[in-house]
Amino acid sequence: GAGVSQTPSNKVTEKGKYVELRCDPISGHTALYWYRQSLGQGPEFLIYFQGTGAADDSGLPNDRFFAVRPEGSVSTLKIQRTERGDSAVYLCASSSGSSAETQYFGPGTRLLVL
Amino acid sequence: AQKITQTQPGMFVQEKEAVTLDCTYDTSDQSYGLFWYKQPSSGEMIFLIYQGSYDEQNATEGRYSLNFQKARKSANLVISASQLGDSAMYFCAMRGNNAGNMLTFGGGTRLMVKP
Repeated sequence: GAGVSQTPSNKVTEKGKYVELRCDPISGHTALYWYRQSLGQGPEFLIYFQGTGAADDSGLPNDRFFAVRPEGSVSTLKIQRTERGDSAVYLCASSSGSSAETQYFGPGTRLLVL
Repeated sequence: AQKITQTQPGMFVQEKEAVTLDCTYDTSDQSYGLFWYKQPSSGEMIFLIYQGSYDEQNATEGRYSLNFQKARKSANLVISASQLGDSAMYFCAMRGNNAGNMLTFGGGTRLMVKP
């Protein structure tokens, strides 16, 4: 079946603008994760959804970042008042929901804030 | 807190030879999982192999095997018979049962396979 998909693949915006990044998980996966990967580093956890609710949002860096998953499938990561330091690759992953299950990643969205 | 350390920023290997990528971890959890992912230049994180902390045997998946030494807190990835397509970044990651379902990643190792 289809893997995790993310749109857009690339996003260029200006400092101070609002952006939305979309993630479509593997069909049937109840758990969804967002990570951020800065250049030359490993991914860092942002937020984890189990179904529609955010089970753990401890990785969100500040209140400019927000994510939703209203129907328990597609998720949107929203960044307000973007800053140059937000430039990174935003990765989405999904798993079947059990704590022991492997997370499968999408191709990422490369965000560049000018 | 959990921590993953990958001490090799870059590695070269000759095609068809085996290579070991190092990973050490630190956690206070009694039960945890260890993962290796491959990230080619396209950017996607590709799952390679998983080892549970209570698994008695080292995990294997095709040409990939995980050398798990629990007492030393190491989980090295061994790639046998390297291929040119193995050139990529490799990330070791951990999930602890007391730390939610998040993965904690190391800084990665860039593997370059020479023809």
